[in-house]
Amino acid sequence: DAGVTQSPTHLIKTRGQQVTLRCSPKSGHDTVSWYQQALGQGPQFIFQYYEEEERQRGNFPDRFSGHQFPNYSSELNVNALLLGDSALYLCASSWSAWGNEQFFGPGTRLTVL
Amino acid sequence: AQSVTQLGSHVSVSEGALVLLRCNYSSSVPPYLFWYVQYPNQGLQLLLKYTTGATLVKGINGFEAEFKKSETSFHLTKPSAHMSDAAEYFCAVSGSSNTGKLIFGQGTTLQVKP
Repeated sequence: DAGVTQSPTHLIKTRGQQVTLRCSPKSGHDTVSWYQQALGQGPQFIFQYYEEEERQRGNFPDRFSGHQFPNYSSELNVNALLLGDSALYLCASSWSAWGNEQFFGPGTRLTVL
Repeated sequence: AQSVTQLGSHVSVSEGALVLLRCNYSSSVPPYLFWYVQYPNQGLQLLLKYTTGATLVKGINGFEAEFKKSETSFHLTKPSAHMSDAAEYFCAVSGSSNTGKLIFGQGTTLQVKP
């Protein structure tokens, strides 16, 4: 079992650019959640996808959007990047029947210059 | 609304000493509570969780936590610290539903001195 995988591992972008991060859930999981972890902070919930739809959303602007594919993998898109978007982006997967136990991937470190 | 407060951003213990990391929560619904560990440049690993039932929960690597509803606390303990326990620890809460949104505390850095 490969667990939750994320790509890329690191990414450097400049202000105003757009970025796409990818996540493959743990085998058997159908729900994907995304979190942003700024340096020295706890993770903050961005949104969650289930059955290819956004089920729940945290306090993040519309610049943050996502998608879930039929194979349950997911993408996080961020438009018009700001310096403050620099963070570790974590993907977590879970099984819809017991969504509270989430398994996290290693994260994508995004640096915005 | 739910929130988590971790008391102490940094905790330092000697190897072999008791580890105590404090977590208090606020929740308007029966909470599900979690402790995660994060090693440098890695994702989060689940240490233990409380959902329902027994209030003393045992996790991996010798850690345990006790859910105390009257104190709204879920402190993490380990009888004897090991050097490999040095990491960042996060307490998290979610509502007792299947939506799975986790609210995390700010984290506590555990330093273990030889």
